[in-house]
Order: sequence, then structure tokens, then C-alpha cells
Amino acid sequence: KNEVEQSPQNLTAQEGEFITINCSYSVGISALHWLQQHPGGGIVSLFMLSSGKKKHGRLIATINIQEKHSSLHITASHPRDSAVYICAVPSGGSNYKLTFGKGTLLTVNP
Amino acid sequence: KAGVTQTPRYLIKTRGQQVTLSCSPISGHRSVSWYQQTPGQGLQFLFEYFSETQRNKGNFPGRFSGRQFSNSRSEMNVSTLELGDSALYLCASSLVGDYQETQYFGPGTRLLVL
Repeated sequence: KNEVEQSPQNLTAQEGEFITINCSYSVGISALHWLQQHPGGGIVSLFMLSSGKKKHGRLIATINIQEKHSSLHITASHPRDSAVYICAVPSGGSNYKLTFGKGTLLTVNP
Repeated sequence: KAGVTQTPRYLIKTRGQQVTLSCSPISGHRSVSWYQQTPGQGLQFLFEYFSETQRNKGNFPGRFSGRQFSNSRSEMNVSTLELGDSALYLCASSLVGDYQETQYFGPGTRLLVL
């Protein structure tokens, strides 16, 4: 089974700050997902990464397959970025049997 | 294009009862996955269906079951409810369930077991 560790668990930032959330996993994978969950429960898939780096607007996700580590960066953070960010990796030999990190609660203050 | 829909959105049941939750995927999507989210355990994978067949299953007791219909709509059933089954149940759909695809999540069904 793949173990997934996220850090930090909680993060408070001021608007405009650069944010980094980290995710480490124990077993080699084919892809890693970053998800965003707003209060109320709705989940949005932000990125699916199998190598390198992806960028979408102010969000950047990177992955280092050799070190089994991924980071999610938010540039010029905004209060609307306040949410729980969750990384997920395949486990049990199946790409869609996902194991999730516990999530990082991000609060961005104006 | 309509998103993933789940019904009902909220549900209150008592211990010992059973419950059926429904998920309608995005049109054209054939893979549906179900997840349970609790404050203690976080998000956990329940099962995944593709073309009416269960392809993957998480580590949940047999009280948790599901099925998928020919139109890709899916239902999950929990029998003999326990207090610990109180959770947010989410479904997500994708075209064929390939690992490179994006999953699209529904709003969830919040189940409270009393």
C-alpha cells in the first residue's frame, strides 16, 4: 500500500504570499493527482502529474519521481485560494485505486 | 455539459437501516469511482466501475456495495448502517478510468447515521 504524507497540515498566509504544499509517497507511481476541496465539500481536480512540472494560472505543480515527492505552489495567493489541498496516488497496483493524503488546510487572509 | 450529479445531497438514517446513493456521471463518461470522506480517515477509495463491471475495490466491508447501469449511472448501497458510516460520499467520473485522465467529482451526499 502506498503511504502518502502531506505537509504542512495547516497553513495561514497573507494575500500575495507564495505558498508551497508538499506531498511524499512511499511507493513508485505512474501519476499523482492534486485536488482542491472548498468548504461545503466540492472537489476539483487541479493537476495530474506523471513527470516534471505543470502550470495552470497561478498554480504550479512539480513532481520528482526518483525522490517520490511532489509540490504544489501558489503564486500571489488570494483569499479565494483558501481551501483544503489534497494529493492522491495510485495504490494496490491499480491506477484508479487512489490513496489520499490527509490534506493541507490553506487559509489566505486579506 | 452538465457535471456529475449525486442524489440525495443530504440523508439522515438510523443504525441498522440501509441506504442507496445515486451518481450520474458526465455524459459520455464510462468510469465512475466512489469515495468516502470522514474527519478521522480523510478520503478513502470505495470502488470503481467501468461498463457495468467493478474493476477496483477499496478496503471496506461487504456492507458496502455498488453497481453501474448500462447508461453509466451508478449506485452505492450500504446495508446495516453503523454510526461510523456517517460521512461525505463522493463519486467521480472520467471517460474510461485511465490514470492520465482527470476525474470530475460530484458535490457529494452527506450521510448522518444516528
